[in-house]
Amino acid sequence: QVQLVQSGAEVKKPGSSVKVSCKASGGTFSSYAISWVRQAPGQGLEWMGGIIPIFGTANYAQKFQGRVTITADESTSTAYMELSSLRSEDTAVYYCARAAPSSPATLWYFDLWGRGTLVTVSS
Amino acid sequence: EIVMTQSPATLSVSPGERATLSCRASQSVSSNLAWYQQKPGQAPRLLIYGASTRATGIPARFSGSGSGTEFTLTISSLQSEDFAVYYCQQYNNWPLTFGQGTKVEIK
Repeated sequence: QVQLVQSGAEVKKPGSSVKVSCKASGGTFSSYAISWVRQAPGQGLEWMGGIIPIFGTANYAQKFQGRVTITADESTSTAYMELSSLRSEDTAVYYCARAAPSSPATLWYFDLWGRGTLVTVSS
Repeated sequence: EIVMTQSPATLSVSPGERATLSCRASQSVSSNLAWYQQKPGQAPRLLIYGASTRATGIPARFSGSGSGTEFTLTISSLQSEDFAVYYCQQYNNWPLTFGQGTKVEIK
């Protein structure tokens, strides 16, 4: 059974960067897209971007373009999301999510989610 | 960007009753629409994709319908475990976008 295991909670200062990891255990990794979705406290879900590890090219939501970098390491079955120039509004739970195998190749819905990583941005 | 609008924001329903949740897209998304359930402190769970196909393991009381810009999630007889927040998501265009959610609470 594939699981997505995320790194632990982070507390960051405004202006700094954070890098969150998402390791797939128990199954194939490279063939399915991994996306990052965030959820601010009490708010809804927001897609940030995604990557198909076997291709290595990421797509980003315009809102985060230039501030977010999504990468994947096939050798360790791990995806990463790095967000820079952090501000208080970036305080949120960050989820990694796997595109369902039945998703279209480049437009995804998600059948497997990590448990989330809380990133708190505070001075 | 396609804006997804869900209504109502909160739905109060008694156990055993039917719940009908709506999701509207600002432009057509064909049938490229998914629904998720999220409980407090948990990650979202895929319920429906392709507007009407139940994901693996999802009970038959959950059903989805619609195409184009108007979609509905129906829970035929609410069980205690169904009280949660529900989100729709379009995957017809970049960027992928979610609705703001409908909270189904106990009446």
